[in-house]
Amino acid sequence: GQQVMQIPQYQHVQEGEDFTTYCNSSTTLSNIQWYKQRPGGHPVFLIQLVKSGEVKKQKRLTFQFGEAKKNSSLHITATQTTDVGTYFCAGGSGSARQLTFGSGTQLTVLP
Amino acid sequence: KAGVTQTPRYLIKTRGQQVTLSCSPISGHRSVSWYQQTPGQGLQFLFEYFSETQRNKGNFPGRFSGRQFSNSRSEMNVSTLELGDSALYLCASRQGRNTEAFFGQGTRLTVV
Repeated sequence: GQQVMQIPQYQHVQEGEDFTTYCNSSTTLSNIQWYKQRPGGHPVFLIQLVKSGEVKKQKRLTFQFGEAKKNSSLHITATQTTDVGTYFCAGGSGSARQLTFGSGTQLTVLP
Repeated sequence: KAGVTQTPRYLIKTRGQQVTLSCSPISGHRSVSWYQQTPGQGLQFLFEYFSETQRNKGNFPGRFSGRQFSNSRSEMNVSTLELGDSALYLCASRQGRNTEAFFGQGTRLTVV
């Protein structure tokens, strides 16, 4: 079955440093979604990428979808303490309804 | 528009017992998925229901089961609870394929 790997599992950064998490799928995806889960909370949708090579920005967050539609990344510029949480990618395949989540990257931002 | 509602929020059960968790999706959403979340394990997919039919199932033992009603509300049941079943159980609803998932607050199950 489809597998989505995400690295790193944990990342500690100093406030103001950049942060990147990477996602790789074993199969070609029809779309990739990113979610953020704050400590004690539930995952909240951030964005969806659909096109090969697509890049989207949300303020300090930049999302990329690979040319082969098998990998993706989330980059945060100049992290803030409000960025703390676990970031998950989730891959969707065209025929299956199921979203396959990566294992998540837990981000800690040190003030 | 009300969000995804999961009940109960917290539950403590004894080994060997069974438990039923409930999820009410966003109005109009017919797809409901269930996930188990434990520290360091990410979101493990349990199953997905659409129009009262189970469409996908994750790699969990048969002790884990679910169903969906005609109003799209869903329940999941875990029988013969084990200590390792202690986790946060999250439900998510979607409007359709390739759309975003809306998660409920989750039910935190503790098995003692």
